[in-house]
Amino acid sequence: QQQVKQSPQSLIVQKGGISIINCAYENTAFDYFPWYQQFPGKGPALLIAIRPDVSEKKEGRFTISFNKSAKQFSLHIMDSQPGDSATYFCAASRGGNQFYFGTGTSLTVIP
Amino acid sequence: GAVVSQHPSWVICKSGTSVKIECRSLDFQATTMFWYRQFPKQSLMLMATSNEGSKATYEQGVEKDKFLINHASLTLSTLTVTSAHPEDSSFYICSANSQGAGYEQYFGPGTRLTVT
Repeated sequence: QQQVKQSPQSLIVQKGGISIINCAYENTAFDYFPWYQQFPGKGPALLIAIRPDVSEKKEGRFTISFNKSAKQFSLHIMDSQPGDSATYFCAASRGGNQFYFGTGTSLTVIP
Repeated sequence: GAVVSQHPSWVICKSGTSVKIECRSLDFQATTMFWYRQFPKQSLMLMATSNEGSKATYEQGVEKDKFLINHASLTLSTLTVTSAHPEDSSFYICSANSQGAGYEQYFGPGTRLTVT
């Protein structure tokens, strides 16, 4: 059973545009929601993370929006750049143990 | 800071042999380490969670006798794939978190295993 559902599977955005990736979860016990960026042949790298007590967190061009009642969270990449082209994974965790990952979104930013 | 290394980065082995993959936290003490498996263009699937000095906790469906995990120190965990078969070919990634770093996980660069 997929604990975290992620969409879209792939995304193509023009340079300078906004990339939006969505995730949904079922387990209300999750209390940590990170986003990871992965380049081919490399391990994932933490981009930004949020706890359920806040509705939004922004770090540079990356923003997480969190809707606790809907059990959904999303990643917004502002002013998308070709260097942002990668696979993005959302994840959810309870207490920092057993991280469950979404299925991934392949982002392509075209110049 | 918070660097995790893996060795080897890639390995090719013959069917029936065993392969050991090392995961090290280079600049922090890892109270918990995680092992994941990732197939091409797919998500990470958690295989097991290990805490230093205790037995690993395996996810449902992961054969503990086939994927041996040892977390002998606060900076080293190893995954041994025993009697490897072609279907074990995959990208294996470890991650670690530190007691003082909250919930953040730091991932290694991954190990590409090919079994011929």
